[in-house]
Amino acid sequence: DIQMTQSPSTLSASVGDRVTITCRASQSISSWLAWYQQKPGKAPKLLIYKASSLESGVPSRFSGSGSGTEFTLTISSLQPDDFATYYCQQYNSYSPSLTFGGGTKVEIK
Amino acid sequence: QVQLQESGPGLVKPSETLSLTCAVSGYSISSGYYWGWIRQPPGKGLEWIGSIYHSGSTYYNPSLKSRVTISVDTSKNQFSLKLSSVTAADTAVYYCARVHSSGYSYHDAFDIWGQGTMVTVSS
Repeated sequence: DIQMTQSPSTLSASVGDRVTITCRASQSISSWLAWYQQKPGKAPKLLIYKASSLESGVPSRFSGSGSGTEFTLTISSLQPDDFATYYCQQYNSYSPSLTFGGGTKVEIK
Repeated sequence: QVQLQESGPGLVKPSETLSLTCAVSGYSISSGYYWGWIRQPPGKGLEWIGSIYHSGSTYYNPSLKSRVTISVDTSKNQFSLKLSSVTAADTAVYYCARVHSSGYSYHDAFDIWGQGTMVTVSS
């Protein structure tokens, strides 16, 4: 199975900060990576697919980059609505499983 | 718009079988897409359980494969999850979801999710 490792596990930031979350795959997944935002008691919301494609309706302050084994999610200017937990997910066709990272909680500093 | 709604018992006894259904509205399952189940133990991360196509083709997480069955009922526009021999480790919020692309692969992101249903395994 492909393991997905996110860092940091918790991040403290202020409104207006630029925030970067990293996701590393245990083997190459090309660009088959998605990012989700999850708020307490809610289902995850798709933000980014295929590593860098912005899902319809998602604010442009969210961006994704990377390929192979290292990926980043960047929030260019953190807004109050962005305090949440973020997950990456790989969906490489060579892996029988779809796997998620452990999550990164973005907290108010 | 497309909506998914999970339903089923909120409490299951150890060693019994967990059964959940996901009702789909606003889209006919027979028209395409893979549909999946994902779970999240309290305070923990997400785990993919398995996915199904309208034809009945299924793919399961190898770590759960021996206990999981996913089926589809196109006449009722719903799909279901059965997880046998449950233990306390199966306590989680269970989500159903649809993949992002209408291509013929379960290898995809999930763009439409149900609200989730909490299932507790306890005697």
